[in-house]
Amino acid sequence: DAGITQSPRHKVTETGTPVTLRCHQTENHRYMYWYRQDPGHGLRLIHYSYGVKDTDKGEVSDGYSVSRSKTEDFLLTLESATSSQTSVYFCAIRSTDTQYFGPGTRLTVL
Amino acid sequence: GIQVEQSPPDLILQEGANSTLRCNFSDSVNNLQWFHQNPWGQLINLFYIPSGTKQNGRLSATTVATERYSLLYISSSQTTDSGVYFCAVSPRGAGGFKTIFGAGTRLFVKA
Repeated sequence: DAGITQSPRHKVTETGTPVTLRCHQTENHRYMYWYRQDPGHGLRLIHYSYGVKDTDKGEVSDGYSVSRSKTEDFLLTLESATSSQTSVYFCAIRSTDTQYFGPGTRLTVL
Repeated sequence: GIQVEQSPPDLILQEGANSTLRCNFSDSVNNLQWFHQNPWGQLINLFYIPSGTKQNGRLSATTVATERYSLLYISSSQTTDSGVYFCAVSPRGAGGFKTIFGAGTRLFVKA
């Protein structure tokens, strides 16, 4: 699992509330990624980071922001959660040319 | 942007059968990976294979970069092979560190 943890693992929240998901890695990898997984879509890239304070948008970045103030932590924030953001969120790191994934966070927005 | 198409979308096999999963991509890539997502949701990297052929036990993969496709072979399938298989590519150029996934092939192996 390349030392990747995600928190929380499950969350239920209400429309309009802010939500922050955390990805933590223990092996000092430079590249980190946030994906969402929905039925019929596979995994879609939300944002990624190529270093501390260096981030870029992915395919489905609208409604999401990220921050990386330390190498080991990559935060994903939903400023005002909507029902369309109900999904399973995966964090990943890149080690040389291979990606390794965290266990995922199941988010439900009511 | 780059498109990644996987086929078939669903596959049911009898234990012991062989299968071939295909991934087509629409542009040049720096990187191609195959992943397996087990029924509990865990994503495991199977191969990093931007070109050529690799084998790992009963699994092997071949990528023909010039023709923009990759194949994943599963031989003597087992029930533990069930799950979803994803192909993922990193396009060349400015988006070289992005990774784009296909929609996956859902495999069910019957005992």
